[in-house]
Amino acid sequence: QSALTQPASVSGSPGQSITISCTGTSSDIGSYNHVSWYQQHPGKAPKLMLYDVSNRPSGVSDRFSGSKSGNTASLTISGLQAEDEADYYCSSFKTTDTYVFGTGTKVTVL
Amino acid sequence: QVQLVQSGAEVKKPGASVKVSCKASGNTVTSDYVHWVRQAPGQGLEWLGAIDPSGSRTYYAQKFQGRVTMTRDTSTSTVYMDLSSLTSQDTAIYYCAGEVGTVKYFQYWGQGSLVTVSS
Repeated sequence: QSALTQPASVSGSPGQSITISCTGTSSDIGSYNHVSWYQQHPGKAPKLMLYDVSNRPSGVSDRFSGSKSGNTASLTISGLQAEDEADYYCSSFKTTDTYVFGTGTKVTVL
Repeated sequence: QVQLVQSGAEVKKPGASVKVSCKASGNTVTSDYVHWVRQAPGQGLEWLGAIDPSGSRTYYAQKFQGRVTMTRDTSTSTVYMDLSSLTSQDTAIYYCAGEVGTVKYFQYWGQGSLVTVSS
């Protein structure tokens, strides 16, 4: 099964907003709102940042927001901060009762 | 808050099998699905499969069908992932992750277990 497609890297200056796209197919993102996003700092386990496209778990900053249109989901980080520098992965539930992750995006704070 | 504690690093030879454990501490996870996700060095996340709360049903990525087995010991809140016929391509950090109920996302993660396959 092919991974969801994300840009390899995105960068921005502190205070700016950046958006990471995540493109799938009609068998995953296009069929369900079960899109989630994970942040991973070097050497650490992934951390859930958004679930069901745009919902934030308790404790996650409201600077993180999500949306979806068709087969593409997006994660936006507003008011970019140094601590946001990390790798980000999207994930989607699939029609085959399985899951797929995105290729991953490295966010750099300039 | 549930925490998942995984077994330590393993070094295996090509063709061998590896069994990684994932034990829940804190509240019990009798209603949680447990997923396994791996990450090869410098690469992205890859979903291997999941096991349901009772341990009676498993879901595997097609890529790993026939090579992966996930089991569960509910008496000790421990989940196991067994991967056979190892090659160097299986060198990775293996994570377990919990899904409360059937929410379709991974809410909490283990610390990861490094599996190295080398002759």
